[in-house]
Amino acid sequence: EPEVTQTPSHQVTQMGQEVILRCVPISNHLYFYWYRQILGQKVEFLVSFYNNEISEKSEIFDDQFSVERPDGSNFTLKIRSTKLEDSAMYFCASSGTSGRARQFFGPGTRLTVL
Amino acid sequence: TQLLEQSPQFLSIQEGENLTVYCNSSSVFSSLQWYRQEPGEGPVLLVTVVTGGEVKKLKRLTFQFGDARKDSSLHITAAQPGDTGLYLCAGGSSGNTGKLIFGQGTTLQVKP
Repeated sequence: EPEVTQTPSHQVTQMGQEVILRCVPISNHLYFYWYRQILGQKVEFLVSFYNNEISEKSEIFDDQFSVERPDGSNFTLKIRSTKLEDSAMYFCASSGTSGRARQFFGPGTRLTVL
Repeated sequence: TQLLEQSPQFLSIQEGENLTVYCNSSSVFSSLQWYRQEPGEGPVLLVTVVTGGEVKKLKRLTFQFGDARKDSSLHITAAQPGDTGLYLCAGGSSGNTGKLIFGQGTTLQVKP
Protein backbone atom coordinates (compact mmCIF):
# COMPACT_ATOMS: atom_id res chain seq x y z
CA GLU A 1 0.00 0.00 0.00
CA PRO A 2 1.38 3.44 -0.92
CA GLU A 3 2.63 5.48 1.99
CA VAL A 4 4.21 8.81 2.79
CA THR A 5 7.86 8.58 3.76
CA GLN A 6 9.99 11.09 5.64
CA THR A 7 13.71 11.52 6.22
CA PRO A 8 15.52 11.77 8.50
CA SER A 9 13.59 10.13 11.32
CA HIS A 10 15.52 12.19 13.85
CA GLN A 11 17.48 15.40 13.34
CA VAL A 12 19.56 17.08 16.01
CA THR A 13 20.82 20.58 15.31
CA GLN A 14 22.27 23.60 17.03
CA MET A 15 20.20 26.74 17.50
CA GLY A 16 20.61 29.06 14.53
CA GLN A 17 21.41 26.30 12.06
CA GLU A 18 19.37 25.55 8.94
CA VAL A 19 17.56 22.23 8.61
CA ILE A 20 15.77 20.63 5.70
CA LEU A 21 13.16 17.99 6.36
CA ARG A 22 12.29 15.76 3.45
CA CYS A 23 9.12 13.99 2.47
CA VAL A 24 8.06 11.76 -0.39
CA PRO A 25 4.26 11.99 -0.68
CA ILE A 26 2.07 9.27 -2.16
CA SER A 27 2.84 9.27 -5.87
CA ASN A 28 -0.49 10.31 -7.42
CA HIS A 29 -1.38 12.84 -4.73
CA LEU A 30 -1.64 16.51 -5.57
CA TYR A 31 -1.96 18.25 -2.22
CA PHE A 32 0.83 18.39 0.34
CA TYR A 33 1.00 19.54 3.93
CA TRP A 34 3.31 20.00 6.88
CA TYR A 35 2.14 19.75 10.48
CA ARG A 36 4.06 19.77 13.71
CA GLN A 37 3.45 18.34 17.14
CA ILE A 38 5.29 19.67 20.15
CA LEU A 39 5.63 17.00 22.81
CA GLY A 40 2.38 16.62 24.72
CA GLN A 41 0.49 19.11 22.55
CA LYS A 42 -1.95 19.04 19.65
CA VAL A 43 -0.97 18.41 16.08
CA GLU A 44 -0.74 21.90 14.50
CA PHE A 45 -1.12 22.85 10.86
CA LEU A 46 1.84 24.65 9.30
CA VAL A 47 1.25 24.89 5.56
CA SER A 48 -0.63 23.46 2.60
CA PHE A 49 0.81 23.32 -0.91
CA TYR A 50 -0.80 22.74 -4.29
CA ASN A 51 0.26 23.33 -7.86
CA ASN A 52 3.68 24.59 -6.73
CA GLU A 53 2.18 27.26 -4.53
CA ILE A 54 1.35 27.68 -0.88
CA SER A 55 -2.42 27.47 -0.46
CA GLU A 56 -2.53 28.43 3.20
CA LYS A 57 -0.05 28.91 6.00
CA SER A 58 -0.47 29.29 9.71
CA GLU A 59 0.90 31.99 12.00
CA ILE A 60 3.65 29.57 12.98
CA PHE A 61 4.89 29.47 9.39
CA ASP A 62 6.86 32.71 9.47
CA ASP A 63 9.73 33.92 7.28
CA GLN A 64 12.05 31.33 8.78
CA PHE A 65 10.06 28.56 7.14
CA SER A 66 9.82 27.64 3.48
CA VAL A 67 8.56 24.72 1.44
CA GLU A 68 9.57 23.42 -1.92
CA ARG A 69 8.75 20.65 -4.33
CA PRO A 70 12.11 20.48 -6.10
CA ASP A 71 11.15 17.57 -8.36
CA GLY A 72 8.21 15.30 -9.06
CA SER A 73 8.54 13.27 -5.91
CA ASN A 74 10.03 15.23 -3.01
CA PHE A 75 8.45 17.86 -0.78
CA THR A 76 10.70 19.69 1.65
CA LEU A 77 10.37 21.94 4.67
CA LYS A 78 13.27 24.27 5.40
CA ILE A 79 13.81 26.11 8.65
CA ARG A 80 16.47 28.76 8.04
CA SER A 81 17.60 29.56 11.56
CA THR A 82 16.28 27.11 14.09
CA LYS A 83 15.13 28.13 17.56
CA LEU A 84 14.77 26.03 20.67
CA GLU A 85 11.00 26.21 20.34
CA ASP A 86 11.16 24.58 16.91
CA SER A 87 11.87 21.27 18.63
CA ALA A 88 8.92 19.04 17.71
CA MET A 89 7.76 16.16 15.55
CA TYR A 90 7.19 17.35 12.01
CA PHE A 91 4.70 15.42 9.93
CA CYS A 92 4.27 15.54 6.19
CA ALA A 93 0.88 14.59 4.75
CA SER A 94 -0.59 14.28 1.29
CA SER A 95 -4.04 13.91 -0.21
CA GLY A 96 -5.44 13.14 -3.61
CA THR A 97 -8.62 13.39 -5.62
CA SER A 98 -10.75 11.64 -2.97
CA GLY A 99 -10.72 14.84 -0.97
CA ARG A 100 -8.16 17.29 0.36
CA ALA A 101 -9.06 16.55 3.97
CA ARG A 102 -8.51 12.81 3.53
CA GLN A 103 -4.84 13.12 4.37
CA PHE A 104 -2.27 10.42 4.83
CA PHE A 105 0.57 11.15 7.19
CA GLY A 106 4.19 10.15 7.17
CA PRO A 107 5.96 8.72 10.22
CA GLY A 108 7.41 12.10 11.14
CA THR A 109 10.82 13.65 11.74
CA ARG A 110 11.76 14.38 15.32
CA LEU A 111 13.65 17.69 15.33
CA THR A 112 15.70 18.49 18.40
CA VAL A 113 17.23 21.97 18.61
CA LEU A 114 19.99 22.35 21.19
CA THR B 1 -10.52 30.54 14.93
CA GLN B 2 -11.88 27.04 14.60
CA LEU B 3 -11.26 24.77 17.59
CA LEU B 4 -12.03 21.13 18.29
CA GLU B 5 -12.47 19.95 21.86
CA GLN B 6 -12.03 16.25 22.36
CA SER B 7 -13.23 14.35 25.44
CA PRO B 8 -12.36 12.54 27.50
CA GLN B 9 -8.61 13.08 27.35
CA PHE B 10 -7.90 9.78 29.11
CA LEU B 11 -9.97 6.63 29.32
CA SER B 12 -9.06 3.39 31.04
CA ILE B 13 -11.51 0.51 30.71
CA GLN B 14 -11.70 -3.25 30.93
CA GLU B 15 -11.72 -5.51 27.92
CA GLY B 16 -15.26 -6.02 26.64
CA GLU B 17 -16.61 -2.63 27.73
CA ASN B 18 -18.06 -0.07 25.35
CA LEU B 19 -16.86 3.51 25.11
CA THR B 20 -17.54 6.75 23.28
CA VAL B 21 -15.13 9.57 22.46
CA TYR B 22 -16.51 12.99 21.60
CA CYS B 23 -15.24 15.78 19.42
CA ASN B 24 -17.06 19.11 19.72
CA SER B 25 -16.84 22.57 18.23
CA SER B 26 -18.87 25.72 17.84
CA SER B 27 -17.69 25.87 14.22
CA VAL B 28 -18.87 24.03 11.14
CA PHE B 29 -16.36 21.73 9.47
CA SER B 30 -16.37 20.57 5.87
CA SER B 31 -15.34 17.08 6.98
CA LEU B 32 -14.22 15.19 10.04
CA GLN B 33 -11.37 12.73 10.14
CA TRP B 34 -10.54 10.24 12.88
CA TYR B 35 -6.95 9.10 13.25
CA ARG B 36 -5.12 6.72 15.52
CA GLN B 37 -1.56 7.54 16.55
CA GLU B 38 1.00 5.24 18.13
CA PRO B 39 3.89 6.72 20.18
CA GLY B 40 6.60 8.15 17.94
CA GLU B 41 4.61 7.58 14.74
CA GLY B 42 2.39 9.57 12.45
CA PRO B 43 -1.41 9.61 12.65
CA VAL B 44 -3.07 6.77 10.73
CA LEU B 45 -6.37 7.63 9.06
CA LEU B 46 -9.32 5.53 10.27
CA VAL B 47 -12.27 7.23 8.61
CA THR B 48 -13.53 10.41 6.94
CA VAL B 49 -17.10 11.66 7.30
CA VAL B 50 -18.35 14.55 5.20
CA THR B 51 -22.15 14.68 5.38
CA GLY B 52 -24.12 15.89 8.38
CA GLY B 53 -25.62 12.89 10.18
CA GLU B 54 -23.32 10.46 8.40
CA VAL B 55 -22.52 7.21 10.20
CA LYS B 56 -19.66 4.91 9.22
CA LYS B 57 -18.71 1.58 10.73
CA LEU B 58 -15.29 -0.02 10.79
CA LYS B 59 -15.66 -3.42 12.48
CA ARG B 60 -16.33 -2.58 16.16
CA LEU B 61 -15.82 1.18 15.62
CA THR B 62 -18.76 3.44 14.74
CA PHE B 63 -18.15 7.03 13.69
CA GLN B 64 -20.84 9.68 13.48
CA PHE B 65 -20.80 13.24 12.14
CA GLY B 66 -23.29 15.58 13.78
CA ASP B 67 -26.23 16.88 11.77
CA ALA B 68 -24.83 20.42 11.88
CA ARG B 69 -21.27 19.22 11.11
CA LYS B 70 -19.97 20.73 14.34
CA ASP B 71 -19.36 17.55 16.29
CA SER B 72 -18.48 13.90 15.92
CA SER B 73 -18.26 10.78 18.00
CA LEU B 74 -16.33 7.52 17.94
CA HIS B 75 -17.98 4.56 19.63
CA ILE B 76 -16.09 1.33 20.26
CA THR B 77 -18.06 -1.79 21.07
CA ALA B 78 -16.52 -4.57 23.17
CA ALA B 79 -13.11 -2.93 23.41
CA GLN B 80 -10.03 -5.11 23.03
CA PRO B 81 -6.49 -4.54 24.35
CA GLY B 82 -5.46 -4.00 20.73
CA ASP B 83 -7.64 -0.87 20.70
CA THR B 84 -5.25 0.78 23.16
CA GLY B 85 -3.79 3.96 21.71
CA LEU B 86 -4.26 7.65 21.03
CA TYR B 87 -7.32 8.64 19.00
CA LEU B 88 -7.40 12.02 17.26
CA CYS B 89 -10.21 13.85 15.56
CA ALA B 90 -9.41 16.42 12.90
CA GLY B 91 -11.79 18.79 11.17
CA GLY B 92 -11.43 20.05 7.64
CA SER B 93 -11.43 23.84 7.84
CA SER B 94 -13.93 26.01 6.03
CA GLY B 95 -11.38 27.25 3.50
CA ASN B 96 -10.71 24.95 0.56
CA THR B 97 -7.03 24.42 1.32
CA GLY B 98 -7.19 21.07 3.12
CA LYS B 99 -6.07 22.52 6.45
CA LEU B 100 -6.93 20.13 9.28
CA ILE B 101 -7.64 21.30 12.80
CA PHE B 102 -6.88 18.65 15.37
CA GLY B 103 -8.38 17.90 18.75
CA GLN B 104 -6.04 17.24 21.65
CA GLY B 105 -6.58 13.49 21.49
CA THR B 106 -8.01 10.74 23.67
CA THR B 107 -5.63 8.22 25.20
CA LEU B 108 -7.43 4.90 25.52
CA GLN B 109 -6.17 2.05 27.64
CA VAL B 110 -8.00 -1.27 27.46
CA LYS B 111 -6.98 -3.65 30.20
CA PRO B 112 -7.23 -7.41 29.69
